[in-house]
Amino acid sequence: QKEVEQNSGPLSVPEGAIASLNCTYSDRVSQSFFWYRQYSGKSPELIMSIYSNGDKEDGRFTAQLNKASQYVSLLIRDSQPSDSATYLCAVEEPGGSYIPTFGRGTSLIVHP
Amino acid sequence: EAQVTQNPRYLITVTGKKLTVTCSQNMNHEYMSWYRQDPGLGLRQIYYSMNVEVTDKGDVPEGYKVSRKEKRNFPLILESPSPNQTSLYFCATANAGSNEKLFFGSGTQLSVL
Repeated sequence: QKEVEQNSGPLSVPEGAIASLNCTYSDRVSQSFFWYRQYSGKSPELIMSIYSNGDKEDGRFTAQLNKASQYVSLLIRDSQPSDSATYLCAVEEPGGSYIPTFGRGTSLIVHP
Repeated sequence: EAQVTQNPRYLITVTGKKLTVTCSQNMNHEYMSWYRQDPGLGLRQIYYSMNVEVTDKGDVPEGYKVSRKEKRNFPLILESPSPNQTSLYFCATANAGSNEKLFFGSGTQLSVL
């Protein structure tokens, strides 16, 4: 059974701080990794994807991947109250078909 | 506009009364999937389909049926709903292949009394 683990939180950070969200996965051959943001009562939306070791930056968001440690993280710089949401980590099976496994999500609260 | 249309948005029903939640997409995506989301349990996959007439079980298929007669539609059928199927349901679609993002419908909040 493939597993994707996230700390459920809530993670509370002050406005302007860096929020660090972490995810570990069990399937060593996983190749593609995604972060989805989900506001309360809404559907998830993709904010970052990463496929190779290292960092990938997009605006205030940075995804970090370490395949040797089976660890992927999401950093949110200059956190805003509008970033308050649940962040879902998703890991894709290898093999060319899109069948992701989702973690349970981490709740982030950014307080003014 | 690219859309995944899911209906109804809210549904209250009683145990044993058959219901269907519809999902339709206008992006010509091959892959369609149903998830349920429960507090503390995250998104769990119910069924998925890689193309027309091709469906497979996900992690929690018991009590659900699906069909994929057309590429754009992927209805979720509960033949005899039970209270433990009270949940928030999402339909999701994607192009087939690796590294494709999922597009989610707006969700259906189902309550089975």
